[in-house]
Amino acid sequence: ETGVTQTPRHLVMGMTNKKSLKCEQHLGHNAMYWYKQSAKKPLELMFVYNFKEQTENNSVPSRFSPECPNSSHLFLHLHTLQPEDSALYLCASSQGVSSNQPQHFGDGTRLSIL
Amino acid sequence: AQSVTQPDIHITVSEGASLELRCNYSYGATPYLFWYVQSPGQGLQLLLKYFSGDTLVQGIKGFEAEFKRSQSSFNLRKPSVHWSDAAEYFCAVGDSNDYKLSFGAGTTVTVRA
Repeated sequence: ETGVTQTPRHLVMGMTNKKSLKCEQHLGHNAMYWYKQSAKKPLELMFVYNFKEQTENNSVPSRFSPECPNSSHLFLHLHTLQPEDSALYLCASSQGVSSNQPQHFGDGTRLSIL
Repeated sequence: AQSVTQPDIHITVSEGASLELRCNYSYGATPYLFWYVQSPGQGLQLLLKYFSGDTLVQGIKGFEAEFKRSQSSFNLRKPSVHWSDAAEYFCAVGDSNDYKLSFGAGTTVTVRA
């Protein structure tokens, strides 16, 4: 699946660093999502964007800051993270923001906080 | 809000044997149902989906799933597994009143030779 590309694939950072995760979709979709995946837990929806407008912030701490400059690109800016933020961060896209629109996922960024 | 339960955390199956993964959901109306597969180091790939109509749906890679309203279940099956089917499988539920999907915690499938 190369429709949704995430970079970097792996990221190790200290708690005081600032870094960004990038997601790009080549599917012509209008909706994009950030999920957090922790071991043996259901995927946690973090943010949803529809036509570049944020439609969901699922009580995510402010140390995570999303940015969606256009329908094809989505960023997650990270600042002053905590060890419990170590996880796989998945980006997804769908044609529209509706639960009957299948979501297409990227391969994720494995984030480790030292 | 809907919820999803995958009762089996880990299943081991022999290559060539059949596989069934369980998924139970909690939702009042007819839900939108999905199965995704995640191979190591990769994202989630859609295997199949059910919205309405025939309750037995076919997906990619030889998988099928059956929607049983009376049991609130959407179990995934494959008649004969291949070593490449070793992965983690996620059931997800959506509804017409909300765009969010609820995912189960996943079932890890190990295939032994």
